[in-house]
This record gives sequence, C-alpha cells and structure tokens, in this order.
Amino acid sequence: RKEVEQDPGPFNVPEGATVAFNCTYSNSASQSFFWYRQDCRKEPKLLMSVYSSGNEDGRFTAQLNRASQYISLLIRDSKLSDSATYLCVVNPGGSYIPTFGRGTSLIVHP
Amino acid sequence: ETGVTQTPRHLVMGMTNKKSLKCEQHLGHNAMYWYKQSAKKPLELMFVYSLEERVENNSVPSRFSPECPNSSHLFLHLHTLQPEDSALYLCASSQDHGGHNEQFFGPGTRLTVL
Repeated sequence: RKEVEQDPGPFNVPEGATVAFNCTYSNSASQSFFWYRQDCRKEPKLLMSVYSSGNEDGRFTAQLNRASQYISLLIRDSKLSDSATYLCVVNPGGSYIPTFGRGTSLIVHP
Repeated sequence: ETGVTQTPRHLVMGMTNKKSLKCEQHLGHNAMYWYKQSAKKPLELMFVYSLEERVENNSVPSRFSPECPNSSHLFLHLHTLQPEDSALYLCASSQDHGGHNEQFFGPGTRLTVL
C-alpha cells in the first residue's frame, strides 16, 4: 500500500456543485495532515491544515478519520476558480519528512 | 507571492553540462527543502536543511549536490544529469523542520535534460 493515496481524477463538476476528495494514508502514527492546492504550472500553496476536530474555512471543510486512516476535503458551491490539483500531505509522527499524495485534479465548468 | 524565489525559472542542459539552481527565502525560516515533481507523480522530497545543516538526503543520486551557505539560500548543483531528471524542481521553506509546519514553495525551475 502506498504511503499516501489519492484518486487522481479528474473530477469534472458544474459550478455550484459540492465535491469531496479523500486521501488515505498507511502510517497509523501520522500526526500532521494538510491539503495543498496547486494550479497548473504553479507551485503548491497551503489550503488548510487538518485537525483531529476537523477544520472549516468558508466553503472548504477538511476532516480526519483516524480509525479508517483517511482525510477528506469537501468543497461546497464550487467556483470556476476552484479548478486545480489538490494535494494531500501527511507527516509521520516525529518525522520532518512530509509525504505528498499525487494529487486530485478538479475541473469546475460553467 | 510566497517570499520564496527560485532562479532560473527554466533551464535546458545537456547531459555533460554543470549547472546550479538557486533558491532564496525572505521569510526568516530555519528549514529549506528541495523537491522534484515529475509529470503524473507525487512530489518527491530530495533534501532537507535545518539551520544550514543537512538533515535528510532522501536517496538522491550523487549527480544532485545541495549546498546551503546560510539559512536564506539553498542551491542544487547539477552535473552529468540524465534525460529522466527532466522535471520541475521546487524549493520550499518552513519555520522549522518539524512536520507540523506549513511549507512555502517557490515557483520552481523547469529543467529539461537533452
């Protein structure tokens, strides 16, 4: 099993739709989790951290499920500008080696 | 803009050339990273520096040689590369090298090896 797995997509959704991505991780000792966004031919940028209690920022909600070892990202009321690749990042406890997923591509169309 | 700059933005080199990639961060961070991003693959961590000391070399071939002269600058020296080394090379920094820190990425250098 890969350390961090994501469905590469693409997820093709209309404006206004709600879309959710999951990211599974193999190391049960992982302690830090993040979602990054990467636009085409640009660098990744932090979208949000994922806390044990979940995290919400406007239209974006991130959840952590330790029992099933996955994190999720929910985007409500999708905008055209949400089109990007969403990268899941997992850090094993005590390690400074972040592990990136291959990313999930989202395309929001009019 | 993120406060992390990289030069050059694009580089084409032959397999016998020697070149260097430069990264500079203006954020006062203590940790800096080199990543490789190939098409359809996850970001691959190459090197981690913390306070100018290399703390991780993630099984990278010796044809890639990092240098960190101070906490604001990071170089990646390249020599005798292979075509499969063509990729986007991203530099990042974070406050410390602990895994809980947000990483700030530079725009990357798109490298093509002929």
